[in-house]
Amino acid sequence: GAVVSQHPSWVICKSGTSVKIECRSLDFQATTMFWYRQFPKQSLMLMATSNEGSKATYEQGVEKDKFLINHASLTLSTLTVTSAHPEDSSFYICSASLRTTLYEQYFGPGTRLTVT
Amino acid sequence: ILNVEQSPQSLHVQEGDSTNFTCSFPSSNFYALHWYRWETAKSPEALFVMTLNGDEKKKGRISATLNTKEGYSYLYIKGSQPEDSATYLCAFIASSNTGKLIFGQGTTLQVKP
Repeated sequence: GAVVSQHPSWVICKSGTSVKIECRSLDFQATTMFWYRQFPKQSLMLMATSNEGSKATYEQGVEKDKFLINHASLTLSTLTVTSAHPEDSSFYICSASLRTTLYEQYFGPGTRLTVT
Repeated sequence: ILNVEQSPQSLHVQEGDSTNFTCSFPSSNFYALHWYRWETAKSPEALFVMTLNGDEKKKGRISATLNTKEGYSYLYIKGSQPEDSATYLCAFIASSNTGKLIFGQGTTLQVKP
């Protein structure tokens, strides 16, 4: 149980275009979803936390107008990278959480974004 | 800034060897520590959630210990197998900011047959 899918697994786009990444919890309803980014040789860094039906909370230094997060249902959250630039090339991974006291998170397999 | 450090960064062992690696985290403001196993092209898989000082958890050949007073956790793998090859991540949760995982950089283990 607790499977999270992410689509696409990799994407190449041109500078200035927008890219949407989907994160779905397949067999449970996730009250909270998280979006992380990982640059080479660095740790997973939290970008934003989203709760179904409300606006996402962004971490310091993450531009909310550039990284649009929509969490319209308990099983789907999307991250749109708007006007992507080469420095946005990274590995993006989502996770979904059940509301438990231990804050377990279940991760998708990630999306490799390359902006040319 | 809360910092989580893992060492070593990478490790190569022979099949059958036992191995261990370390996760260091702030000793104050502790709420929980998570360990994940992450194979290439797959989702990180939860191994353990640890909350109490002195906690010891075991799953097959993998076990973990926790020392919240000094701010470290060890992950042990007994009799490593090639299928244990993966990156092992630890993530710290501070009591002042529960729900937010702060990850270390991971230890990448390669087990040679």
